[in-house]
Amino acid sequence: GQQVMQIPQYQHVQEGEDFTTYCNSSTTLSNIQWYKQRPGGHPVFLIQLVKSGEVKKQKRLTFQFGEAKKNSSLHITATQTTDVGTYFCAGGNTGGFKTIFGAGTRLFVKA
Amino acid sequence: KAGVTQTPRYLIKTRGQQVTLSCSPISGHRSVSWYQQTPGQGLQFLFEYFSETQRNKGNFPGRFSGRQFSNSRSEMNVSTLELGDSALYLCASSLSLTNTGELFFGEGSRLTVL
Repeated sequence: GQQVMQIPQYQHVQEGEDFTTYCNSSTTLSNIQWYKQRPGGHPVFLIQLVKSGEVKKQKRLTFQFGEAKKNSSLHITATQTTDVGTYFCAGGNTGGFKTIFGAGTRLFVKA
Repeated sequence: KAGVTQTPRYLIKTRGQQVTLSCSPISGHRSVSWYQQTPGQGLQFLFEYFSETQRNKGNFPGRFSGRQFSNSRSEMNVSTLELGDSALYLCASSLSLTNTGELFFGEGSRLTVL
């Protein structure tokens, strides 16, 4: 079945350093979504990418969707302590209707 | 606009018991999906309902079941609880089928099985 792999599992950074998490799907995706879950909270939608090669920015966050629509990345520039949490990618299945989540990357930011 | 409401927020059960969790989606949302979240496994898809019909099911045993009512509220049931069922169960609603738009998550129901 469809799988969405996400790396790294954990990332420790010093405040001000950059951070990137990567997602790879075993199948072509109809779209990719990104969510952030703060410690003790629930996942909150960040963005959706639909087009091949699409790049979107939200302040210090840059999201990319691969040309083959099988991979995606989230890059945070100059991390802040408010960026701590787990970032999940979620792939929409072209053949069905369910959204499959990656395992998430937990970001720790040291002040 | 009220968000997704899940009840109960916390519950403790013993092995062999059963549990029912409830999810009220955002008003107007017709799709409800359920996920199991554990520290080592991330968000595992359980099932999705749209207009009272189960549209997709994840790879969970038959002990896990669900349903959706005409008002879009959804329940999931786990029978014959096992220790490994301890997890945060998250419900998410969306306007249409989940692969086409943003998922709005509830706070979750944290189940502990002793």
